[in-house]
Amino acid sequence: GDSVTQMEGPVTLSEEACLTINCTYTATGYPSLFWYVQYPGEGLQLLLKATKADDKGSNKGFEATYRKETTSFHLEKGSVQVSDSAVYFCALPYSGGGADGLTFGKGTHLIIQP
Amino acid sequence: EAEVAQSPRYKITEKSQAVAFWCDPISGHATLYWYRQILGQGPELLVQFQDESVVDDSQLPKDRFSAERLKGVDSTLKIQPAELGDSAMYLCASSSGLGETQYFGPGTRLLVL
Repeated sequence: GDSVTQMEGPVTLSEEACLTINCTYTATGYPSLFWYVQYPGEGLQLLLKATKADDKGSNKGFEATYRKETTSFHLEKGSVQVSDSAVYFCALPYSGGGADGLTFGKGTHLIIQP
Repeated sequence: EAEVAQSPRYKITEKSQAVAFWCDPISGHATLYWYRQILGQGPELLVQFQDESVVDDSQLPKDRFSAERLKGVDSTLKIQPAELGDSAMYLCASSSGLGETQYFGPGTRLLVL
């Protein structure tokens, strides 16, 4: 079935550093792609999404571009803050049965040091 | 802002005991999902409801897991009997309809001893 692979963590950066978290996908067709974020002690939140090739999703200074040529959806931010410390999940629609749930990657733990 | 509620937040149980988790979705959300998140992994979809009907439960281990949403509002996920490998975070999410954004609750962390 469809799946996503994202870089292993933890990723540790200093405040104001540039961030890239890699995500590649395997899918039939061109599904929507998502980044979710899980802050400590909280539920997952949708960070951004892209629904078709070449779309760019953006939110809170984060961006990701849907690239079908490389089957990638890398998450980027130009200057990270301590408050960005969280676990980030790349996801795409679940491909089994009639459900429209999500299939998630393993998550990348991001740690931003002051 | 409306949120998905889950209880309990933490549950410790012994192997072979029964456990139950409760989820109250955002008001008006017809679609409800249960996910399991093993430590260090991404969430895995267990079951999806549309109103009171199961849309997909192909990844639910039916020999020990059951889920219901009797009135199409809140939902209960049950494990009986619990096994050591069931230790995980159980997440509930809801959306206003198929294909709409999913909103997640804080989860129930289960530890089976």
